[in-house]
Amino acid sequence: GAVVSQHPSRVICKSGTSVKIECRSLDFQATTMFWYRQFPKQSLMLMATSNEGSKATYEQGVEKDKFLINHASLTLSTLTVTSAHPEDSSFYICSARAGGPTDTQYFGPGTRLTVL
Amino acid sequence: QKEVEQDPGPLSVPEGAIVSLNCTYSNSAFQYFMWYRQYSRKGPELLMYTYSSGNKEDGRFTAQVDKSSKYISLFIRDSQPSDSATYLCAMSTGGGNKLTFGTGTQLKVEL
Repeated sequence: GAVVSQHPSRVICKSGTSVKIECRSLDFQATTMFWYRQFPKQSLMLMATSNEGSKATYEQGVEKDKFLINHASLTLSTLTVTSAHPEDSSFYICSARAGGPTDTQYFGPGTRLTVL
Repeated sequence: QKEVEQDPGPLSVPEGAIVSLNCTYSNSAFQYFMWYRQYSRKGPELLMYTYSSGNKEDGRFTAQVDKSSKYISLFIRDSQPSDSATYLCAMSTGGGNKLTFGTGTQLKVEL
């Protein structure tokens, strides 16, 4: 159980375009989802916390107008990177809070974004 | 000083060895401790989850938490080449709360 999927797994886009990444909890309902980015050989950096039906909470230094998060249902959250630039190239990973006895986070497989 | 310190490695061991991975932390409010395994270009996979101090065993994996020393460990017995990955410790102040990660230790188990 506790499977989280992400789509797409990899995306290459031109500078200035917008990219949408989907995160789905497949076998459980997630009231809270988290979005992280990870640079090569570095740990995960939390970008924002997303609660179903409400606005996302962004970490310090993360531009909310740049990284749009929508959590419209208990199984789906989306991250849109608007007007992407080469410095936005990174590995984006979502996680979903499962609730229950452990109530910890289960991670998706990640999306590798390359902006040319 | 980072909230969570973890040696990035790389750590190279022969197949069958016992591996010890560690993290130290500074925030005494952390109550929940996790170990994740991350293969290259993949998302982290939850390995172990412990609450407060003590030991927890699951197959070849044992997690230890010493809150008095602010020190957590993950032991891997009979290590296999398939264990080669980056191991991330993570902790939070409450179940389901924001996780604070270590930098990850890269482990390589060689034949």
